[in-house]
Amino acid sequence: SQKIEQNSEALNIQEGKTATLTCNYTNYSPAYLQWYRQDPGRGPVFLLLIRENEKEKRKERLKVTFDTTLKQSLFHITASQPADSATYLCALGATNKLIFGTGTLLAVQP
Amino acid sequence: NAGVTQTPKFQVLKTGQSMTLQCAQDMNHNSMYWYRQDPGMGLRLIYYSASEGTTDKGEVPNGYNVSRLNKREFSLRLESAAPSQTSVYFCASSSARDGGIIGNQPQHFGDGTRLSIL
Repeated sequence: SQKIEQNSEALNIQEGKTATLTCNYTNYSPAYLQWYRQDPGRGPVFLLLIRENEKEKRKERLKVTFDTTLKQSLFHITASQPADSATYLCALGATNKLIFGTGTLLAVQP
Repeated sequence: NAGVTQTPKFQVLKTGQSMTLQCAQDMNHNSMYWYRQDPGMGLRLIYYSASEGTTDKGEVPNGYNVSRLNKREFSLRLESAAPSQTSVYFCASSSARDGGIIGNQPQHFGDGTRLSIL
């Protein structure tokens, strides 16, 4: 069956460091992959979209990679700040639906 | 610019009661969606609407009905609420013309309705 895995454990890092979040998938061949940020009590907010023929996408301090051979996407936040603390969701566009992972909680310590 | 607005924000129901969750978007989007979010389960698609007048089932449609009232509004109805429907419900919209269900456009979410069924 189709499955998406994100680190269920929280990721704790120091301010100024690079945070790297992982999204792995199986039994999918997604044409698109998206990343969202979700704060407590709020809805997800779209961050980046990457297509299967793109290896990397950047937006300010954010970078996403998409490796269709490894079936993996990495989400990087450089020069992280306490304000980056949130849950980050990956979502895959597959045959007939957008499938969301359960998210990884990022905590950036000052 | 409000984006996607959901009402109510909180609701407590008794088993067997009915209610309608309201959603409206002001971005002139074609596609709208209803999701539920449960701990450890991620967001799961209940129903979606690719355009005014059309609706389709998502991953977990049982126990729910929807109405795409016009281009702006998409409502979700629980006819006979059950404790298993306790969840946070999110509405989203997208500019995708095919329903956006293959992920080629970002989705814009409301802040959710927190629903408890006793």
